[in-house]
Amino acid sequence: AQSVAQPEDQVNVAEGNPLTVKCTYSVSGNPYLFWYVQYPNRGLQFLLKYITGDNLVKGSYGFEAEFNKSQTSFHLKKPSALVSDSALYFCAVRAPYILTGGGNKLTFGTGTQLKVEL
Amino acid sequence: DAGVTQSPTHLIKTRGQQVTLRCSPKSGHDTVSWYQQALGQGPQFIFQYYEEEERQRGNFPDRFSGHQFPNYSSELNVNALLLGDSALYLCASSLASGGAIDTQYFGPGTRLTVL
Repeated sequence: AQSVAQPEDQVNVAEGNPLTVKCTYSVSGNPYLFWYVQYPNRGLQFLLKYITGDNLVKGSYGFEAEFNKSQTSFHLKKPSALVSDSALYFCAVRAPYILTGGGNKLTFGTGTQLKVEL
Repeated sequence: DAGVTQSPTHLIKTRGQQVTLRCSPKSGHDTVSWYQQALGQGPQFIFQYYEEEERQRGNFPDRFSGHQFPNYSSELNVNALLLGDSALYLCASSLASGGAIDTQYFGPGTRLTVL
């Protein structure tokens, strides 16, 4: 079974400061990892993904994420937070196709509310 | 480039009724997945359709069923509605031939309220 943990329900940061939203995962085989963002009363918007290769992945709106296999983590980061980054962030994991029979089911964490203040 | 669209936006039903939600995938995509997001929770996978067949299913009862049409659009049907079925239902599309690099793109969701 695959699972994702987002240990912080909420993260508060001042505008201009760096932000980190934490995620750890559990999955058989090599993980495929994703970050999505959700604004109020909206669907999920894709930010970035890790499939293979460099452990530092760059995505949309200046976000990046660092994959750490030994710690089974995939933390989301941004060097300088903006008030407009305030939203709900979800980490998700997918198992390799060889284990799913071709399906690409995503398993999500419970989400972390990011609040960026002036 | 049209993204994933869902209809209706909101829906109110009473217990025991049946509901049908609709989804059109992003242009060029052939795979549709459905997720249920209860208030304050992360999305939970319901099932996925590819080539008009259910390819993968989550831990949801048989009251939840679906269909995919030849144009890749999809429907989610829920029978015998329960209060606990109240949630945001999200549709996501992807491209099967994208292989390991496939990404699921989500629609805005349908908010279902069961009274």
